[in-house]
Amino acid sequence: KAGVTQTPRYLIKTRGQQVTLSCSPISGHRSVSWYQQTPGQGLQFLFEYFSETQRNKGNFPGRFSGRQFSNSRSEMNVSTLELGDSALYLCASSLIPQETQYFGPGTRLLVL
Amino acid sequence: SQQGEEDPQALSIQEGENATMNCSYKTSINNLQWYRQNSGRGLVHLILIRSNEREKHSGRLRVTLDTSKKSSSLLITASRAADTASYFCATVPRSNDYKLSFGAGTTVTVRA
Repeated sequence: KAGVTQTPRYLIKTRGQQVTLSCSPISGHRSVSWYQQTPGQGLQFLFEYFSETQRNKGNFPGRFSGRQFSNSRSEMNVSTLELGDSALYLCASSLIPQETQYFGPGTRLLVL
Repeated sequence: SQQGEEDPQALSIQEGENATMNCSYKTSINNLQWYRQNSGRGLVHLILIRSNEREKHSGRLRVTLDTSKKSSSLLITASRAADTASYFCATVPRSNDYKLSFGAGTTVTVRA
């Protein structure tokens, strides 16, 4: 089976812009989670989707949003980008929520 | 705040030696998972241990869990250069909270 894929892999944006990141889970996986990784804060949970429903959200401002489509693919959107949004954004999918997560390679976002 | 806290923050060992890292957490868990990350890439799942289990093995990896002390340890035996990576523990709470909470990680360097 193909692994979790994320696009784009690298992205450079300027403050105030918005960005959309995409994640395609492993075939058959209906749970998709997003994480932000920075040197200062480490790995932080953003949100988790299962069957197109957001079931949990981390402590991030409303500028961070996401959605999941009927084919389980997921997108996350960050509006009004700030310098502090520069990070590696990781997507993970799992067959059963709370079980083993399979991570994608991540999207590295740089906000200038 | 992060649920799991790894100790030590960094570890440097000689090839062939064993490496042990610990993870402490704060609240009751459903399961605890260990992941490895190489050079800022995506995370790779290593082992999942459930709250009713005390020890699990996978190849050269051994994980223990002590729920009374709210702690877990990961032992890598006969380390290799390829084991150089950051290792993270992640906890799934017993509640209906679907967040996977990661610790800050232990950076392991295996010297040839």
